[in-house]
Amino acid sequence: TQLLEQSPQFLSIQEGENLTVYCNSSSVFSSLQWYRQEPGEGPVLLVTVVTGGEVKKLKRLTFQFGDARKDSSLHITAAQPGDTGLYLCAGGGGAQKLVFGQGTRLTINP
Amino acid sequence: DTGVSQNPRHKITKRGQNVTFRCDPISEHNRLYWYRQTLGQGPEFLTYFQNEAQLEKSRLLSDRFSAERPKGSFSTLEIQRTEQGDSAMYLCASSFPGLGLDNEQFFGPGTRLTVL
Repeated sequence: TQLLEQSPQFLSIQEGENLTVYCNSSSVFSSLQWYRQEPGEGPVLLVTVVTGGEVKKLKRLTFQFGDARKDSSLHITAAQPGDTGLYLCAGGGGAQKLVFGQGTRLTINP
Repeated sequence: DTGVSQNPRHKITKRGQNVTFRCDPISEHNRLYWYRQTLGQGPEFLTYFQNEAQLEKSRLLSDRFSAERPKGSFSTLEIQRTEQGDSAMYLCASSFPGLGLDNEQFFGPGTRLTVL
């Protein structure tokens, strides 16, 4: 069974600080996606990483896929209150389904 | 708006009643997925369709759950004899392999089910 573990599960920081969220597994994934979810809404796709060692940037967000394609990280620079939300990593779980981590609930305080 | 849509957004029902949810995927997407998300957890896979064929069902999908996609477009998820443990957010997603990256799925806003 493929599992993804995210850490930390909760993170509360001040506006302007930097942070990193981790997504780890003992399994190899063909790709990993990062989503952000607001309360009462569905997840919104932020990025997909495919190649081991790949780094993608989305404004102040930097996503990295581990060399062995078993882990990924999300780094946010100079966090803003608008970054508040639930961040989910998800990997290809075979037969096209996605396996999700339990999420990191991020709160950015003004 | 050409994203994934789901109806209703909220459903409150009494235990033992049947409920049906609808999902309309992005129009050119031939794969459609159902997930369930409980409070404080990530979504869990329930089932998926390629066109009208249901290709995989999770063990989470008990006999009380049935999903259809009769014409390969919209899909319905029915829960019979609802139980309080069915209370969750039911999410639909769609994708089109070959359009963008494999496994890249786009989610609808979800249907929040509360069973009293």
